Order: sequence, then structure tokens, then C-alpha cells
Amino acid sequence: AQKITQTQPGMFVQEKEAVTLDCTYDTSDQSYGLFWYKQPSSGEMIFLIYQGSYDEQNATEGRYSLNFQKARKSANLVISASQLGDSAMYFCAMREGLGTAAGNQFYFGTGTSLTVIP
Amino acid sequence: KAGVTQTPRYLIKTRGQQVTLSCSPISGHRSVSWYQQTPGQGLQFLFEYFSETQRNKGNFPGRFSGRQFSNSRSEMNVSTLELGDSALYLCASSPAQGLNEKLFFGSGTQLSVL
Repeated sequence: AQKITQTQPGMFVQEKEAVTLDCTYDTSDQSYGLFWYKQPSSGEMIFLIYQGSYDEQNATEGRYSLNFQKARKSANLVISASQLGDSAMYFCAMREGLGTAAGNQFYFGTGTSLTVIP
Repeated sequence: KAGVTQTPRYLIKTRGQQVTLSCSPISGHRSVSWYQQTPGQGLQFLFEYFSETQRNKGNFPGRFSGRQFSNSRSEMNVSTLELGDSALYLCASSPAQGLNEKLFFGSGTQLSVL
């Protein structure tokens, strides 16, 4: 089974509108971390936001928020007030375990290509 | 602080050849990971080094190998290249291995195998 599933290969959003990118995950660990990265056409992966499995509040970073629904194993990224510069690939990722023991292996989804329309 | 540096940026090789990719992590970062990215497949974990020791290895054939030096710089080697090895290879570093530690990525090496 896939550890991370992103079911939206491509999304379009009007400038200044909000958009939600879906992510579901699969793990039997109690401790895990969820991450979202943005990859512009330049190729570099840019960290956006992090949510820990024990965090009770949804994470927020500026215009980015993470809608964390633990029982449903979903970690959707919400981008508010979209900008043209938000056009990029977006990847959801997960790290399992207690960090040190599990090392730094991240599991990534296949990504969602977001296009912001002026 | 300088970011993660990967060299070369682009590489063209032919089948059967071998290739070495280089990665210099952010100063002070002891963990270096490598990922292969192909269209439609997302990022696939290759391996991770921490203080010169390989801690984790992904599900790749033995043709893929790596190492980390005492200054944390890392190299990845692919021997007997196949057409399917064409991909963007991303290196990432992090200072530690806590659950909330994010990865800092380089711009990648785009490898084309002809």
C-alpha cells in the first residue's frame, strides 16, 4: 500500500482564491510527522508546513494551513489567497517513528500540479 | 548560510557507464539523504547517511551506492547505467533526526541516460 496518496494530479485556482490539496497517509506508527513541500519549475524542494501526529492544533504558516484529520488519516494543505507564484508542484510527505530510530526516510506522494490563473 | 549544493546540475551519460553525483550539505548538518524523482512517481528514497554511516536504504538495486565523508559531504554512485535511471536526483540535508526536522533540498542533478 502507498504510504502517501495524492489523488489530484492537477489543480487550477483563480488568483486570490483559496485551494485545498488533498493528502492521505497510511501508517501504523503512533508517532509520525507530516510535511508539505513546494517544487517550482526550478526543481528545488521548498518546505511549507509541518504537522506532528500528537499536535492537537492544525499547523499554520502564513497563507498555508494544514487540515489534519487524524482519524481519517488525512493532511490536506490549504492555500489561502492564491498568488501567481504559487504555481508549482506540491508534495505531501511523511516521516514515521521517533526520528532517531527511524532515521530520515521520508515517504512522498506523487504530487499535485497547481496552476494559478490570473 | 549557503544552502545544499549539488553538482553537476545536468549530466548526460550512455547505457553501461557509471556516474558520480556530489552533494554538499548545509554547514552543521550531519544527515544527508538522496532521492530519485521521476515524472509521475514522486520522490523515491535511495539512502541516508548520518555521521558517515548509512542508516537507511531504499528499495534500489546494488548499482546505486553512496558514501559520506567526515565533512558531511556525500557522493552517490550509479554503476552500469540503464535507461530507466534517467531522473532528477535530489540531495537533502538536516541537522538532526528529530521527528519534526525538515529536509533542506538542493536543486538536484538531472541525469539523462541515452
